[in-house]
Amino acid sequence: DGGITQSPKYLFRKEGQNVTLSCEQNLNHDAMYWYRQDPGQGLRLIYYSQIVNDFQKGDIAEGYSVSREKKESFPLTVTSAQKNPTAFYLCASSIDLPGSPRTQYFGPGTRLLVL
Amino acid sequence: AQSVTQLDSHVSVSEGTPVLLRCNYSSSYSPSLFWYVQHPNKGLQLLLKYTSAATLVKGINGFEAEFKKSETSFHLTKPSAHMSDAAEYFCVVSDRGGSQGNLIFGKGTKLSVKP
Repeated sequence: DGGITQSPKYLFRKEGQNVTLSCEQNLNHDAMYWYRQDPGQGLRLIYYSQIVNDFQKGDIAEGYSVSREKKESFPLTVTSAQKNPTAFYLCASSIDLPGSPRTQYFGPGTRLLVL
Repeated sequence: AQSVTQLDSHVSVSEGTPVLLRCNYSSSYSPSLFWYVQHPNKGLQLLLKYTSAATLVKGINGFEAEFKKSETSFHLTKPSAHMSDAAEYFCVVSDRGGSQGNLIFGKGTKLSVKP
């Protein structure tokens, strides 16, 4: 089965703790993305990566960090500097095809809750 | 700069009646436009995308959208609503002005379907 997997489905963070959200894809897509979703706000881009070992900040990168050591993996760390981390986190990936707009495909999401 | 506005935050229809979800966009470039659907606590699923090949785009589950450049609109329609259509729908424009083709999301329209 090809697709994007995110784990865990639910994650609990204690005060001052760093937590890491996993995102894996076996679609052979070059680009990967992390979004944060809050009620009534749509999706906001945290970080994205066009290629292995390279990534760029999105609109709300403060308090987050990422790595892209392998093409299929793009983990997101929510650091203690992120003061309001409670949200639904979505990972996506995309590939460029001739004659078609770049299309992003999404994983099932991880809900992060603060204890 | 690109932007997208979903004109209704909540739409309620009866099962078997037509669905209309409205979306207006702003873009300095020839836009790439998408509709995604999200069921509760799930990731986003691509419904359809505008590729400039045809102004009327057919998607999955009987949905379609019409690109109207003169009105800068990309409204989503379905002739007959099913209970399973109840979900949140996002209109999205691709930021092709940048090299990355990042997505800009509307704030979403929640569709309720009454029996």
